[in-house]
Amino acid sequence: EVQLVESGGGLVQPGGSLRLSCAASGFTFSSYWMHWVRQAPGKGLVWVSRINSDGSSTSYADSVKGRFTISRDNAKNTLYLQMNSLRAEDTAVYYCAKRGAVKGAFDIWGQGTMVTVSS
Amino acid sequence: DIQMTQSPSTLSASVGDRVTITCRASQSISSWLAWYQQKPGKAPKLLIYKASSLESGVPSRFSGSGSGTEFTLTISSLQPDDFATYYCQQYNSYSRTWTFGQGTKVEIK
Repeated sequence: EVQLVESGGGLVQPGGSLRLSCAASGFTFSSYWMHWVRQAPGKGLVWVSRINSDGSSTSYADSVKGRFTISRDNAKNTLYLQMNSLRAEDTAVYYCAKRGAVKGAFDIWGQGTMVTVSS
Repeated sequence: DIQMTQSPSTLSASVGDRVTITCRASQSISSWLAWYQQKPGKAPKLLIYKASSLESGVPSRFSGSGSGTEFTLTISSLQPDDFATYYCQQYNSYSRTWTFGQGTKVEIK
């Protein structure tokens, strides 16, 4: 079964750090671009970051640039999001998503992990 | 950055109704548009990609059309399982951003 499972969310104080993980299974992880998308409580979907298949190229939304770092370990079939200098407005469910090579759209999503930034 | 605007924000409809949601891009995105369905507490689900291609396993009552800056998602006959929030997304890799619309909530009338 094709699956993405996020972990690492939790409660963190403003200014703190957190690392999210996304474990992939059921497909050749190393062949696909991967993305992070977040959704604040009661709000819409917001694209956060992406990484290409071999990890050599990344991009970020302006709201997280310089604070978040996306990376991947293809040997472990795992995607990461290192989040530093966290702010209250980073509070959201964070989803990892696989980009379909031909489709271009996000065809597989994880279940999400909640990050709460609060003192 | 490319902005995506969906309308309406909320739509009230009955089972069996034909429903249309519109998405406009601030600049041309060719056909690089996807539609997703999201139910409360769940991850989004891909419905349509490349503006009009139906994702495998998605019922044929869902269809997408458009190109350039104007796109539509149509549900030909609304079913009870279709009450959800729908998002459009542009995915122009050259712009290095993947922007979502603000969402359209389809409610029971």
